[in-house]
Amino acid sequence: ENVLTQSPATLCLSPGERATLSCRASQSVGRYLAWYQQKPGQAPRLLVYEISNRATGIPGRFSGSGSGTDFTLTITSLEPEDFAVYYCHQSSSWPRTFGQGTKVEIK
Amino acid sequence: QVQLVESGGGLVKPGGSLRLSCAASGFTFSDYFMSWIRQAPGKGLEWLSYISATSDTIYYADSVKGRFIISRDNAKNSLYLQMSRLTAEDTAVYYCTRTYYGMDIWGQGTTVTVSS
Repeated sequence: ENVLTQSPATLCLSPGERATLSCRASQSVGRYLAWYQQKPGQAPRLLVYEISNRATGIPGRFSGSGSGTDFTLTITSLEPEDFAVYYCHQSSSWPRTFGQGTKVEIK
Repeated sequence: QVQLVESGGGLVKPGGSLRLSCAASGFTFSDYFMSWIRQAPGKGLEWLSYISATSDTIYYADSVKGRFIISRDNAKNSLYLQMSRLTAEDTAVYYCTRTYYGMDIWGQGTTVTVSS
């Protein structure tokens, strides 16, 4: 199983600051790495697929990068609605796996 | 609009069974792969199962293999998850997702509680 490890577990930032979230895979995932955002009481929402492609309707302040086993989700300037939990997910191999999540909270 | 709506969750005793349904609308269901994901209370996301558009390819997580069965009825625009031999560790919110470039559409989830 391809284990995804996200860091940090929690990120404490203020609105307007830059957020950098990391996801490391135990095996290469090729291009098949996605990021999801989840707010309390809501279903997750796809933000980025195939490392760097923003999903429909996702603002430009969200960007994904990386290759092989190391990936980053960057939020260039945090808006109040961006405080949430973020998960990375690989769809390169079976079983599919998620990282354990990074909570972005207000400082 | 494009939508997935899960149903069938509830309270079930350990060892019991439950069948979840997911009704799709607003898109051509038969064109898409589908998946089930769950989230235990206060925990992260766990991928459970995947089914191809024509049901010829199916995968399961080890945690549910042999106990859960994924299926779909393209004529009814519906996805199912038959769950059996349930334990307390299966208590979670269960989501169905459209699986294309990423899991781009999610239902609102249905809650399964396994307790005596």
